[in-house]
Amino acid sequence: NAGVTQTPKFRILKIGQSMTLQCAQDMNHNYMYWYRQDPGMGLKLIYYSVGAGITDKGEVPNGYNVSRSTTEDFPLRLELAAPSQTSVYFCASSYGQGATEAFFGQGTRLTVV
Amino acid sequence: QQPVQSPQAVILREGEDAVINCSSSKALYSVHWYRQKHGEAPVFLMILLKGGEQKGHEKISASFNEKKQQSSLYLTASQLSYSGTYFCGTETDSGAGSYQLTFGKGTKLSVIP
Repeated sequence: NAGVTQTPKFRILKIGQSMTLQCAQDMNHNYMYWYRQDPGMGLKLIYYSVGAGITDKGEVPNGYNVSRSTTEDFPLRLELAAPSQTSVYFCASSYGQGATEAFFGQGTRLTVV
Repeated sequence: QQPVQSPQAVILREGEDAVINCSSSKALYSVHWYRQKHGEAPVFLMILLKGGEQKGHEKISASFNEKKQQSSLYLTASQLSYSGTYFCGTETDSGAGSYQLTFGKGTKLSVIP
């Protein structure tokens, strides 16, 4: 029973590099989310998806892209990494809209230098 | 738009009570509460639907005032294990038939012997 799996757990990027943060869930959840967590700032919503093929912007989408080709996977793409993207990234999923528990992955700690 | 949490931090002695508040300027479909230990992912505590219900388990309970778009988390007879950062998450209608789950900045709770 894996739940929500994020890879990698840690990564150091140089400014201008690109990378993809992977997120997979095995609970057949429709909703998936990407958040970033900076110290003292809580969790900020980057993008979310309500099902395969459907994505929407959250509060802080600039500098990121997502896709949702399958129910299970929701990768987050960083293009041209910047120091401001140094953060801990959490992926989460839930069964459906409205009042269903969100399950979180263990996070990816990204440092851009 | 992030919900607003207060206080930002609180220190309790074992056995004392605490209240954490969460408010939003938007109409809420539901309110979630999560607890995060240092270096770990947020863990679900409970969800409250609009309708003013109150929920709880053991010594942690919460209420939701739909008219005021406010929720409060009540921790009674605190234990050392209650230490962590508490986040409220609010679901709001994005206007496209889907719901965003956004989080406040968190309340850091420290329980000392």
